[in-house]
Amino acid sequence: EDQVTQSPEALRLQEGESSSLNCSYTVSGLRGLFWYRQDPGKGPEFLFTLYSAGEEKEKERLKATLTKKESFLHITAPKPEDSATYLCAANQAGTALIFGKGTTLSVSS
Amino acid sequence: DAEITQSPRHKITETGRQVTLACHQTWNHNNMFWYRQDLGHGLRLIHYSYGVQDTNKGEVSDGYSVSRSNTEDLPLTLESAASSQTSVYFCASSLDLAKNIQYFGAGTRLSVL
Repeated sequence: EDQVTQSPEALRLQEGESSSLNCSYTVSGLRGLFWYRQDPGKGPEFLFTLYSAGEEKEKERLKATLTKKESFLHITAPKPEDSATYLCAANQAGTALIFGKGTTLSVSS
Repeated sequence: DAEITQSPRHKITETGRQVTLACHQTWNHNNMFWYRQDLGHGLRLIHYSYGVQDTNKGEVSDGYSVSRSNTEDLPLTLESAASSQTSVYFCASSLDLAKNIQYFGAGTRLSVL
């Protein structure tokens, strides 16, 4: 069965405390691995797409990496404004996105 | 700026009523999608469309229908609303299926009483 699993479900960090979020996937015909950010009461906001193992992308304090079985979202020196739910999704053969349940990140000052 | 808008943002209805949620995008994207988001389940695909007159069922399509008469709009209809359809509904669109980068609306929170 095709699925995407994210861990941990929730993560609390102090401002400046770096960490990583994990996304493991078992999806046939993977055409891309997506990361989205979702703030309360809003729709998911696109962050990154990764297409091949070894690929990395960065945006401000966020860096996404991809292996053949997992993707990681590394957060370096987070700030309170980085608090959100981060969603991982796999693009299966160019049709639907299969989403994980998300990791809710809370960063306190 | 191009965007994707959903209306209404909040809706309360009674069981058995027909409800239509609107989705309008100004990007001229061919592909449009409807998801529902529930605690413990994440985002699940309801229906999707690859262009005018094209519609397809997703993972949780029972009790829902869509129609695509133009590029900009993909309304979602609940034929006879049930309490199990209380959820937050998101519409999304993408330019092409090769990259399939989907851009989401702000969502509609639907309560079925």
